[in-house]
Amino acid sequence: GNSVTQMEGPVTLSEEAFLTINCTYTATGYPSLFWYVQYPGEGLQLLLKATKADDKGSNKGFEATYRKETTSFHLEKGSVQVSDSAVYFCALSHSGGYQKVTFGTGTKLQVIP
Amino acid sequence: EAQVTQNPRYLITVTGKKLTVTCSQNMNHEYMSWYRQDPGLGLRQIYYSMNVEVTDKGDVPEGYKVSRKEKRNFPLILESPSPNQTSLYFCASRLSGARTDTQYFGPGTRLTVL
Repeated sequence: GNSVTQMEGPVTLSEEAFLTINCTYTATGYPSLFWYVQYPGEGLQLLLKATKADDKGSNKGFEATYRKETTSFHLEKGSVQVSDSAVYFCALSHSGGYQKVTFGTGTKLQVIP
Repeated sequence: EAQVTQNPRYLITVTGKKLTVTCSQNMNHEYMSWYRQDPGLGLRQIYYSMNVEVTDKGDVPEGYKVSRKEKRNFPLILESPSPNQTSLYFCASRLSGARTDTQYFGPGTRLTVL
């Protein structure tokens, strides 16, 4: 079946460091890929998405590229800030059927000043 | 403001006492879901609804019920809560079932069953 695998957290970085959070997926067909972010005490909100192979999603300095050949959608940011501290979820929306969304387990990021 | 609201935000109850968590969206979305979030397990879908009067089970439906009598509302019902249902619950909506749709999440309901 379809699945999403994220790197284990927590990830602790100093402010202005480079961030990569790995995400790989298993899916049939042509899923859409998403990164959602959950700030403390809040619900999830969309950070970025890509709907076909080689698309790059970007928002707030974060980027991720839909790589079909490596089945990956790694999240990157060149210079993290303390305000980026949150839990990040990779997700895929299945093609076909009722387009169920499958989430990864989440990666907690802590940025220290 | 476009939003998904949930109530209550926090709830402590005892085993066997029926409860309902309400969810409402103001975006005229067709598709709504309930998830539970547990440490190390991410988000797991409990139930979903593709439109009024159309609901189906997700990955972990045991012990839960839902209804969709109006497009905007999708309550989650625990008829006889048990401690293993202690969790953080999220309601979410999306415009339709299209794979490109963004999901919009409520703020969450933290439920503790003693």
